[in-house]
Amino acid sequence: DIVMTQTPLSLSVTPGQPASISCKSSQSLLHSDGKTYLCWYLQKPGQSPQLLIYGVSSRFSGVPDRFSGSGSGTDFTLKISRVEAEDVGVYYCMQGIHLPTFGGGTKVEIK
Amino acid sequence: EVQLVESGGGLVQPGGSLRLSCAASGFTFSDHYMDWVRQAPGKGLEWVGRTRNKANSYTTEYTASVKGRFTISRDDSKNSLYLQMNSLKTEDTAVYYCTRVPLCTTRCPIGRDIDYWGQGTLVTVSS
Repeated sequence: DIVMTQTPLSLSVTPGQPASISCKSSQSLLHSDGKTYLCWYLQKPGQSPQLLIYGVSSRFSGVPDRFSGSGSGTDFTLKISRVEAEDVGVYYCMQGIHLPTFGGGTKVEIK
Repeated sequence: EVQLVESGGGLVQPGGSLRLSCAASGFTFSDHYMDWVRQAPGKGLEWVGRTRNKANSYTTEYTASVKGRFTISRDDSKNSLYLQMNSLKTEDTAVYYCTRVPLCTTRCPIGRDIDYWGQGTLVTVSS
């Protein structure tokens, strides 16, 4: 199985400030079709996860543009340009090049 | 609007069985692969298994810890997904989410993404 490692485990951010989460995979997520299968999800308190980013950097429908994804191969980053109160929750990365596996999660809270 | 609504969770004793259901709407269910993902209390997300579509012979995949105990099936005429869980263990205690895999036409990877999630149903395995 592909192991997904997220850092940090938790993040406390002042509203309006940026935040960044790292995700590393144990093997390349680049597929022969030229696409890289890395997604980011946010699980808000008491809710099910929701897709934020797919294909490393494509925002899903309705996702604010303060969320951005970057990276390639085995190293990926989710950035929030200006954190808002509604962004609190646990963020997960997930690889989709083989049967899915998730990172351990990064809890984001507001200072 | 895509909707996935799980049902069937509850309390079951170790060694027992339970069948979860997921009612799908808002999209052409029969076209899509569908997955189950679970989350133990206070823990992260774990992919459980997948059913492919009719074009791919409804083949299934499972994570190692549930292989031989869990069975995923679907009824395209009812837009429904199922998870039959047998020989349940205390470590199967979790919220189980029904999820949708987006369509892929050519040169698709084994894994793919997950785009929509249901609200989840809680399964508690305890004596």
